[in-house]
Amino acid sequence: DIQMTQSPSSLSASLGDRVTITCRASQPISTWLAWYQQKPGKAPKLLIYAASSLQTGVPSRFSGSGSGTDFTLTINGLQPEDFATYYCQLGVTIPAFGPGTKVAVK
Amino acid sequence: QITLKESGPTLVKPTQTLTLTCTFSGFSFSTSGVAVGWIRQSPGKALEWLAAISWDDVKRYSPSLKSRLTISKDTSKDQVVLTMTNMDPVDTATYYCVYRQPAAVGNWFDPWGQGTLVTVSS
Repeated sequence: DIQMTQSPSSLSASLGDRVTITCRASQPISTWLAWYQQKPGKAPKLLIYAASSLQTGVPSRFSGSGSGTDFTLTINGLQPEDFATYYCQLGVTIPAFGPGTKVAVK
Repeated sequence: QITLKESGPTLVKPTQTLTLTCTFSGFSFSTSGVAVGWIRQSPGKALEWLAAISWDDVKRYSPSLKSRLTISKDTSKDQVVLTMTNMDPVDTATYYCVYRQPAAVGNWFDPWGQGTLVTVSS
C-alpha cells in the first residue's frame, strides 16, 4: 500500500501570509494527487487535482505542484475563509488520504 | 447541479450490520466513467476511503475492510447502497457519499454529500 504523509500537522498563520503544505507519497505516484479543504462540520471540498490543476471555482491563490513523491499546496495571500484543514489524496484505483494539516490563526 | 445525500441509522449496536443509502441527482450511471464512492471520517481523525462503484458495475473496496463491505447501485432509484457488517465502536464516524466525474482521469471526488454520523454503541 502507498502511504501518504503531510507536514506540518498544523501551522499558525496571519492574514495575507503565504502558506505551504507538503505531502509525500511512500512511492512514486506521478501526478495522481489531489488536495481538499475541510472546514469544521463540513464535507471536504476539492481544490486541486492532478497535482496542479485548479478545480473550477477555486480561487487562484491556491496552487499545487510536484510529481513523483513530493507535492506542495500553496496559498498565496491567506484569507479569513482559508483557515481550515487540508488533506492530500492519492488519486489511483484504491485512494488514500494524508493525515491532514490544520491551518489556524496566529 | 450534482447533489448527493446520505441516509441511514444514526446509532447501531456492536456486531450489527450498517446499511447506508446515497441518493443522488444531477447525473446518471448511464454515463460512461461515472463512479460513486463512500469515504468516512472518525471524530477528529483523517479521511478513509471505503468503496466505490462505477457505471459499468465495477466495484472496488478498501483492502483493509473488504471482507465487511458490499456496495451496490439501484439505477431506477438513483441510489448507491453501502453495507458494513460486524460493526464495532471504532467504526463510529461520519460517512460521506462522493462523486467521481466521468471526465476525471484520476480518482478524485467532487462533490461530496453532507455526511451522516453513525455511532456504534450498545
